[in-house]
Amino acid sequence: GENVEQHPSTLSVQEGDSAVIKCTYSDSASNYFPWYKQELGKRPQLIIDIRSNVGEKKDQRIAVTLNKTAKHFSLHITETQPEDSAVYFCAASLAPPLLKAAGNKLTFGGGTRVLVKP
Amino acid sequence: SAVISQKPSRDICQRGTSLTIQCQVDSQVTMMFWYRQQPGQSLTLIATANQGSEATYESGFVIDKFPISRPNLTFSTLTVSNMSPEDSSIYLCSVVARLDTEAFFGQGTRLTVV
Repeated sequence: GENVEQHPSTLSVQEGDSAVIKCTYSDSASNYFPWYKQELGKRPQLIIDIRSNVGEKKDQRIAVTLNKTAKHFSLHITETQPEDSAVYFCAASLAPPLLKAAGNKLTFGGGTRVLVKP
Repeated sequence: SAVISQKPSRDICQRGTSLTIQCQVDSQVTMMFWYRQQPGQSLTLIATANQGSEATYESGFVIDKFPISRPNLTFSTLTVSNMSPEDSSIYLCSVVARLDTEAFFGQGTRLTVV
């Protein structure tokens, strides 16, 4: 099955600096890569996702890049703010049109605890 | 986005007992999943809840321990059976409305087994 590795496990940055989190996956058939943010005591919430037919996607201060050949993808947060402090999870799955019998199930990375220092 | 109501939000249970967690969605969804998140850890998929048929379990999870029901397109339950302290965890319901849309999570059930 799919295996997702995430690094680093903790990341401390100064407010205004950039943060980068990297993930690698093992199943070359995976084609959907979401990123979730989980604040303490809250549910995971999707912040950005990318599909395998795209190399990069941006949404304001957040961007995700995907290298299918190397089977890795990264989350970039620019101009970090204290409210960016949270645990971030990457994930991989199969989504249409490569859906299989139990598609859309997510395999998560281990998580990155991000602390933005004011 | 789907609105997911998960109950209970937390519970403290005696070892050897069972707890049933409910997940109710405000609209029909294609896929429903149950995840476990142990303290300070990542999310691990327990099973895919299939409407009208047996759930599909991931490696390491079995039906006798985690029976799941999904009677319709908006509701599912997960039971944690014969609990031990090792079952102390957060259990999360997740839904995908359509096969090409994102996954949303319920607020989770924080279970403590004493």
